Amino acid sequence: NAGVTQTPKFQVLKTGQSMTLQCAQDMNHEYMSWYRQDPGMGLRLIHYSVGAGITDQGEVPNGYNVSRSTTEDFPLRLLSAAPSQTSVYFCAVSGSDYEQYFGPGTRLTVT
Amino acid sequence: AQSVTQLGSHVSVSEGALVLLRCNYSSSVPPYLFWYVQYPNQGLQLLLKYTSAATLVKGINGFEAEFKKSETSFHLTKPSAHMSDAAEYFCAVSDVTGRRALTFGSGTRLQVQP
Repeated sequence: NAGVTQTPKFQVLKTGQSMTLQCAQDMNHEYMSWYRQDPGMGLRLIHYSVGAGITDQGEVPNGYNVSRSTTEDFPLRLLSAAPSQTSVYFCAVSGSDYEQYFGPGTRLTVT
Repeated sequence: AQSVTQLGSHVSVSEGALVLLRCNYSSSVPPYLFWYVQYPNQGLQLLLKYTSAATLVKGINGFEAEFKKSETSFHLTKPSAHMSDAAEYFCAVSDVTGRRALTFGSGTRLQVQP
């Protein structure tokens, strides 16, 4: 039982490149979210999903796309990376009482 | 929209001293409240949560927090700090729009002096 897994752990991109951050869960929960963590700003919600085929925007969605074709997977796509997207990205699964179960994170640097 | 304010981005205590990390929230409905801890270069771990049961909530590693509705506060305390408590702590409040996500405070970095 792995919980929430994320790949890669580290990534360096050049401005304008695209990439996909992977997130997978084996907890069979419907609700999944992507957050970004920046110093002094806590975690901010990028996108979320309430189930397969249903996604919506959070507070900071610009520059990111998501899709949810299965309950298990919730990838986050950066369409054209910018230095402002340098951050640590966390995928989370939500339990019935809003508790978030976090993945280990992906540290992304955009140069 | 809900919000979370954590007073003090850095708190320093001596080993054995009381730890008090402050959190105030705003929410239009009774919230669920959480404290998470993040050790250096690691992910977030749940310390404790309030989900409308007892107002005094006990968590892991000797931490506890008290929900005070009249003060809209959910301060985190520990009677005696240990060196291993050095980490960043985040307070969070449940979203009220049905997103099943959390709104986080900006975090408080706890330093424990020997």
